[in-house]
Amino acid sequence: AQTVTQSQPEMSVQEAETVTLSCTYDTSESDYYLFWYKQPPSRQMILVIRQEAYKQQNATENRFSVNFQKAAKSFSLKISDSQLGDAAMYFCAYRSAPDNNDMRFGAGTRLTVKP
Amino acid sequence: GAVVSQHPSRVICKSGTSVKIECRSLDFQATTMFWYRQFPKQSLMLMATSNEGSKATYEQGVEKDKFLINHASLTLSTLTVTSAHPEDSSFYICSARDAGRASYNSPLHFGNGTRLTVT
Repeated sequence: AQTVTQSQPEMSVQEAETVTLSCTYDTSESDYYLFWYKQPPSRQMILVIRQEAYKQQNATENRFSVNFQKAAKSFSLKISDSQLGDAAMYFCAYRSAPDNNDMRFGAGTRLTVKP
Repeated sequence: GAVVSQHPSRVICKSGTSVKIECRSLDFQATTMFWYRQFPKQSLMLMATSNEGSKATYEQGVEKDKFLINHASLTLSTLTVTSAHPEDSSFYICSARDAGRASYNSPLHFGNGTRLTVT
């Protein structure tokens, strides 16, 4: 079974600075998808960024980028120019490539942004 | 973008009663929906996979008779918590993927969740 590990329960960053959230996963599959979701106090799950395992190029979405190391099974999220609105729980997630497979989540990292 | 509507957002019920939670995909069809449970300050734990027109698949340790799932159409899945007890109090979230799009281009879309409190 696939497992997702987020070793940082809490992280803090100064506004406008950069922060990196760590995520590692364990799988025997070669094709899969990785995601970062943001969950603000409203509890709504918001997709931040996604990465297909077959792509070597790291995904980027504006201020958000990932460092995907397939061999190391590592998938970290970098947030640049942090904003107060970035404060939330961040979950790393794994999904197998075949259709309809469920998503497995890490324990989450609570990010605090200091003004 | 794709929208998943979950209702109700908040419900309080008495111990021993049943509660139904609805999950609808508003602008896409979902042959499969997923039900998650989230305890305070914890991650989302998959409870079951809801399959349109067939029986749901439950994760190990999830009681099938307690958490009844029905997926009668391509846009609606329901989770019924039967004979609710205080320990069932939690945050329940559904999610769905657009069946009309390829997997690589279709992430899961989440409902806003339902906070269940059993008194």
